[in-house]
Amino acid sequence: QVHLVESGGGVVRPGGSLRLSCAASGFTFSSHGMHWVRQAPGKGLEWVAVIWYDGSNQYFGDSVKGRFTISRDDFMNTVYLQMDSLRVEDTAVYYCARDQGGDGHNPLDYWGQGTLVTVSS
Amino acid sequence: QVVLTQSPSASASLGASVKLTCTLNSGHSNYAIAWLQQKPEKGPHYLMKVNLDGSYSQGDGTPDRFTGSSSGPERYLTISSLQSEDEADYYCQTWGTGVHVFGGGTKLTVL
Repeated sequence: QVHLVESGGGVVRPGGSLRLSCAASGFTFSSHGMHWVRQAPGKGLEWVAVIWYDGSNQYFGDSVKGRFTISRDDFMNTVYLQMDSLRVEDTAVYYCARDQGGDGHNPLDYWGQGTLVTVSS
Repeated sequence: QVVLTQSPSASASLGASVKLTCTLNSGHSNYAIAWLQQKPEKGPHYLMKVNLDGSYSQGDGTPDRFTGSSSGPERYLTISSLQSEDEADYYCQTWGTGVHVFGGGTKLTVL
């Protein structure tokens, strides 16, 4: 079955960097777009980024544009989120999610359990 | 820019039915949406996709008690025969070119 496992969360100071990983299994990873979505404590879901199935396109939410990058390794079945210039307001649980198709224009049909990122001085 | 609007809360009795609404803003009323369920301290779970014409396709493991429908800019999730484990937050989600959007979520309480 489809399984997504996030890792790499932790505590970081404002202005710092962190790289999240999401290991995928149970499906043909190279056929699906992959997303990152975050949820601040007690708040709703906020879309962060998507990378297409072939890595040809990446898109970002306005609040992270220019600070975050997304990449994928189809040999390792892993998607990454590089987070730079972190701010206190980036504090959230970060979820990895699978796009139902390849091009990011689909529902997010499988989700991981999330990894907590805390940005604090 | 597409915006999704949901009521913050809803409640219904055990064994009853409840209909949750997700409203698309003007100019985006033809968008399909997805419904997600999130229980405390868990990642979201995909329930179904609902199309403009009211057709819907359920995700893996979604019970038949969960159905979708549509009317104009509104997309609905109906849960029948409510069970205690249906108490959760419910989010709608949609997508455009290079963007995904979530509604604010509805907290469902089962009385």
